Amino acid sequence: SQQGEEDPQALSIQEGENATMNCSYKTSINNLQWYRQNSGRGLVHLILIRSNEREKHSGRLRVTLDTSKKSSSLLITASRAADTASYFCATDGKGGSYIPTFGRGTSLIVHP
Amino acid sequence: DVKVTQSSRYLVKRTGEKVFLECVQDMDHENMFWYRQDPGLGLRLIYFSYDVKMKEKGDIPEGYSVSREKKERFSLILESASTNQTSMYLCASSLTPVRGDGYTFGSGTRLTVV
Repeated sequence: SQQGEEDPQALSIQEGENATMNCSYKTSINNLQWYRQNSGRGLVHLILIRSNEREKHSGRLRVTLDTSKKSSSLLITASRAADTASYFCATDGKGGSYIPTFGRGTSLIVHP
Repeated sequence: DVKVTQSSRYLVKRTGEKVFLECVQDMDHENMFWYRQDPGLGLRLIYFSYDVKMKEKGDIPEGYSVSREKKERFSLILESASTNQTSMYLCASSLTPVRGDGYTFGSGTRLTVV
């Protein structure tokens, strides 16, 4: 019952460039979250955006949410080699369920 | 710093063994989850629990069971391990409703069944 799907599956950029990842989902949500996963490790929470919010910032991260298009984007500005990781979006479940459902992730490689 | 601790980072077990994966959180969270992660398939929910002694099946519960005797501990049990259960297992916890810090994950247990 995967809800969010990230796009692209893989992204390769040079240090200093911006990285944009997208997430699409199918049913109405209460909130959407973005997570980072370094290779072989657990997921780390980056940012949560609620359905009544359109944009949020955290450091070099900018998240947008368009509920009419059922999509979100994560922008990492001025990327660094340390940003190399997989990025996942997670939506709370359908009908207000609190169970998080995750996409397959975007694999980001930042070349120094 | 809040934490979800998984008892093992790496585990190798034999086919047919009974396997216990332990997860402990120190945040007094009501909800706890077990996911498995496989290449190309993302995270798939195995079981979750919203209270002590309560459990609900996720998307792929077959071959697994869980136990939540105390609020802070959520155990995943492979009754008879099989090679197709070789995977990365991730435990997570959260409050209801989820707050700004989202779900907290453990570091994962990479299980190999031989």
